[in-house]
Amino acid sequence: ELKVEQNPLFLSMQEGKNYTIYCNYSTTSDRLYWYRQDPGKSLESLFVLLSNGAVKQEGRLMASLDTKARLSTLHITAAVHDLSATYFCAVADGGATNKLIFGTGTLLAVQP
Amino acid sequence: DVKVTQSSRYLVKRTGEKVFLECVQDMDHENMFWYRQDPGLGLRLIYFSYDVKMKEKGDIPEGYSVSREKKERFSLILESASTNQTSMYLCASSFRALGNQPQHFGDGTRLSIL
Repeated sequence: ELKVEQNPLFLSMQEGKNYTIYCNYSTTSDRLYWYRQDPGKSLESLFVLLSNGAVKQEGRLMASLDTKARLSTLHITAAVHDLSATYFCAVADGGATNKLIFGTGTLLAVQP
Repeated sequence: DVKVTQSSRYLVKRTGEKVFLECVQDMDHENMFWYRQDPGLGLRLIYFSYDVKMKEKGDIPEGYSVSREKKERFSLILESASTNQTSMYLCASSFRALGNQPQHFGDGTRLSIL
């Protein structure tokens, strides 16, 4: 059974600092997704990572995937207040149904 | 742009009522999903459907059922609502072969059972 662990659950950081969110998963998968959720809003897709060593960057966010270690990271560079949100990783369960298993989410609060 | 529309943003119902949550997508997606979101637990899959009239149980199907009579519409039914079903419910859709496409989510329905 695929399990996805995300940490930390809560992250308070100052503007301008760097930090990393980690997503570990328990069984082999060929796809990993990162989503962002603002309070009271829906989930917005940030990145789709499809292969070992994949790296995607958008603004101050960079996501990477190591399928051998079953680990993905979301790195935040020089955080700004607008990045405050909850971030989820989700791993494809494989098979014909393309289910996603979500991590518990990381609530990021960037303090001015 | 993909649009996934959930019929209500907020809903208040009473214990024992039969509750219907509706979801419509406009991208001709084969797959549709219902999740519930609770603090500290992330998103948990209730049911999903990969075709009209087809459905499969997710991780927490107890107390719920679903209906998919048309490709664009996926309904979640709480047969007899209970207070532990108070939660945020999210609908999502995707193509059957995900490839590099993510699931697309609706805005959610915050359901309170009194």
